Amino acid sequence: QVQLVQSGAEVKKPGASVKVSCKASGYTFTVYNINWVRQATGQGLEWMGWMNPNSGDSVIAQKFRGRVTMTRSTSITTAYMELSSLRSEDTAVYYCSRGAMFFGAPAMDVWGEGTTVSVSS
Amino acid sequence: EIVLTQSPGTLSLSPGERGTLSCRASQTISSTYLAWYQQKPGQAPRLLIYGTSNRATGIPDRFSGSGSGTDFTLTINRLEPEDFAVYYCHQYGPSPRTFGGGTKVEI
Repeated sequence: QVQLVQSGAEVKKPGASVKVSCKASGYTFTVYNINWVRQATGQGLEWMGWMNPNSGDSVIAQKFRGRVTMTRSTSITTAYMELSSLRSEDTAVYYCSRGAMFFGAPAMDVWGEGTTVSVSS
Repeated sequence: EIVLTQSPGTLSLSPGERGTLSCRASQTISSTYLAWYQQKPGQAPRLLIYGTSNRATGIPDRFSGSGSGTDFTLTINRLEPEDFAVYYCHQYGPSPRTFGGGTKVEI
């Protein structure tokens, strides 16, 4: 079955970086974009950007430009999201999701289970 | 950036009742680019509706979406116990893609 499996929880200090992985299985990895969305505790969903696993191109939300890098390894069908210069406000659950084309528009139809990133001194 | 405003913030209903959730956009959105997600505590969001009115695979027909322009609605007919959750609208047209603040449907 189609699945996205994310890496485990991370605890980081302010100023550090974190790299979250998202392992895809059950479908052709290079055909579907990968999105990253985060959610602070008790808060709503915040879209961070998406990556084309075929080309490696990415579109990052303005808020995160300069701090977020999205990459992938096609050989192991895994996408990565690295967030640098961490601050306490980055404490959140980070989700990867697959963008499936419906009527030419990519809705997020399959989600990973989420990775908790905690930033604390 | 397109701001999505959901109302009400909380909807208190009983099983068997109908729930009507609203999502208003700060500017016109193509109906192709509006989705609804359900999220339960400790779980990832689940796609319910895409393209304003199309149910995702496996979604029961008691969930329906409608709307156009700046006003969109998710309707849940005959609420089941498992439907009590938080619902988010989402526009995936112009970047940045944005989510509404959510509507909590509670018993």
